[in-house]
Amino acid sequence: DTGVSQDPRHKITKRGQNVTFRCDPISEHNRLYWYRQTLGQGPEFLTYFQNEAQLEKSRLLSDRFSAERPKGSFSTLEIQRTEQGDSAMYLCASSFRAEGVLTYEQYFGPGTRLTVT
Amino acid sequence: GQQLNQSPQSMFIQEGEDVSMNCTSSSIFNTWLWYKQDPGEGPVLLIALYKAGELTSNGRLTAQFGITRKDSFLNISASIPSDVGIYFCAGQQLFNNDMRFGAGTRLTVKP
Repeated sequence: DTGVSQDPRHKITKRGQNVTFRCDPISEHNRLYWYRQTLGQGPEFLTYFQNEAQLEKSRLLSDRFSAERPKGSFSTLEIQRTEQGDSAMYLCASSFRAEGVLTYEQYFGPGTRLTVT
Repeated sequence: GQQLNQSPQSMFIQEGEDVSMNCTSSSIFNTWLWYKQDPGEGPVLLIALYKAGELTSNGRLTAQFGITRKDSFLNISASIPSDVGIYFCAGQQLFNNDMRFGAGTRLTVKP
């Protein structure tokens, strides 16, 4: 399977615990995005990387959220001190950004469903 | 929050019927994309549009990039049961690196 993969697919945690999700993008893609999706809504952009550089993080929901992409391949999204309001689907997407091309298509993984009890 | 207004919110149609849904915004977008999402899965890209007025087809799906660059339309012809799902429009603005999504149109197809 050469698509975007995410792990785990489901995570149940207690309020106050830290959680970390992993995303493996399509191998030749240099951009990686994280989104959050709540019930009945479309995905909401959180942050993105070009290679290992995090180019936008102002949309991260709070300072409890952080993301890394240390070697420009897979990425992790961590939520510290989880709250019940963090329950949602966390989606990862990747794309290939070519030089001089301002538009591009994003391909999504299956998501990680987080439930905070 | 969402900048894209998608309508209708839901549709119930008979198998074989054609479907139309649209997405509007008060802002200009230079790329419009349409995705389909099945329960418990991530969105799957259906069609991408890059030029105002562009009309693009993918099998029974046809999408158009509005002339004003503030809207887009998706049509599905001769619907089949596997068309069931939630259809999202998404738009990207020039020099913005995030993609904005509508709230989705939930399609139900009755056999």
